Amino acid sequence: GAGVSQSPRYKVAKRGQDVALRCDPISGHVSLFWYQQALGQGPEFLTYFQNEAQLDKSGLPSDRFFAERPEGSVSTLKIQRTQQEDSAVYLCASSFKRGRGYLSIGANVLTFGAGSRLTVL
Amino acid sequence: AQSVSQHNHHVILSEAASLELGCNYSYGGTVNLFWYVQYPGQHLQLLLKYFSGDPLVKGIKGFEAEFIKSKFSFNLRKPSVQWSDTAEYFCAVHVLEYGNKLVFGAGTILRVKS
Repeated sequence: GAGVSQSPRYKVAKRGQDVALRCDPISGHVSLFWYQQALGQGPEFLTYFQNEAQLDKSGLPSDRFFAERPEGSVSTLKIQRTQQEDSAVYLCASSFKRGRGYLSIGANVLTFGAGSRLTVL
Repeated sequence: AQSVSQHNHHVILSEAASLELGCNYSYGGTVNLFWYVQYPGQHLQLLLKYFSGDPLVKGIKGFEAEFIKSKFSFNLRKPSVQWSDTAEYFCAVHVLEYGNKLVFGAGTILRVKS
């Protein structure tokens, strides 16, 4: 598609409920990132995929957070037993990786989606 | 741990005023530097980036940023702001040795009065 698409745009969940957030990256983009943006803060890294491989999940705040990208395109971020502190905008971003070595830094020119705003009551 | 500091959280300027938004980072190794902008109701967009070479980089809409390695800084500038520059601006740093993630600052909200 023309951009990174995220759904739902808004989600209200009761504490303890499970939620799933979807990201459709730009077609052909190899790299996919999830970021969490709390109110008044900058985005914070959650996890990174290269194709279907989850290469970095160091930013996931707890084992209630799980992300997958089984076919190397669409990704889902799942949050189990949501807590109030999970309220945030969840941003997905994708990039294409070109070349090797030094040129691979092109992978970091990210295109962001509009985000999914999660409110946990 | 890596950190990115943006000095001002809110800036209010009149149209035609000059803009400088500060950004400092804490890591001393090889870095790539970015400024992203988020206009009201829109998603984050890349404004400009620095990978190597000329430390003065030019981006879209008349913005530029200067990388000063000795000061660990990457300040954003624009000589004359317009009302349409009202947005939130985020500085971000990528450290090559730490993988592919970006570390963002907390953002600066710029309001330009017409």
